[in-house]
Amino acid sequence: AQSVTQLDSQVPVFEEAPVELRCNYSSSVSVYLFWYVQYPNQGLQLLLKYLSGSTLVKGINGFEAEFNKSQTSFHLRKPSVHISDTAEYFCAVSVKDTGNQFYFGTGTSLTVIP
Amino acid sequence: GAVVSQHPSRVICKSGTSVKIECRSLDFQATTMFWYRQFPKKSLMLMATSNEGSKATYEQGVEKDKFLINHASLTLSTLTVTSAHPEDSSFYICSAHSRDSLRGEQFFGPGTRLTVL
Repeated sequence: AQSVTQLDSQVPVFEEAPVELRCNYSSSVSVYLFWYVQYPNQGLQLLLKYLSGSTLVKGINGFEAEFNKSQTSFHLRKPSVHISDTAEYFCAVSVKDTGNQFYFGTGTSLTVIP
Repeated sequence: GAVVSQHPSRVICKSGTSVKIECRSLDFQATTMFWYRQFPKKSLMLMATSNEGSKATYEQGVEKDKFLINHASLTLSTLTVTSAHPEDSSFYICSAHSRDSLRGEQFFGPGTRLTVL
């Protein structure tokens, strides 16, 4: 079975500081990895994804993530956050070649403090 | 890019009435659509998976007779909340898998806020 763990439910950070949102997954098979952002009362917007190839993935809004197979992690990072980055962030995995089902983490609420 | 729309974006209804939510893939054909429910400050909970032309597959604990799903075409799936009650109030999000995507990607709709009075 697959599971996704986001250890930090809330992350406060000052504006222009760096941030890392952690995501770990458990799976006995190969997976695709995704990070989504959700603003209040809106749907999910794809930030970035890892499908194959380079383990460092760059996404929109200056975010990047690194896939670490040995540690089964896919942490999201941004070197300098803005007020507009305040939102809920979800990590998700999709198992390759099966059903396209997504498994979501519980989410991390990022609050950028002026 | 692949766009998924949902209609309505917000709906308020009286207890006991039924509400239909539409999910459309606007510029691609979706072989599979997914329906999620999200409670405040919580993650997305998969309710059901629907494949075009066949019956939906419901997750454990989700009432099939209460949450009716129809995937009549490759661009449209509907979720009907029958005899809605206040505890059904939630944010419902659909997603679609493109038949042209080989890599498990899903494209998400903007969500529908259901409030049952």
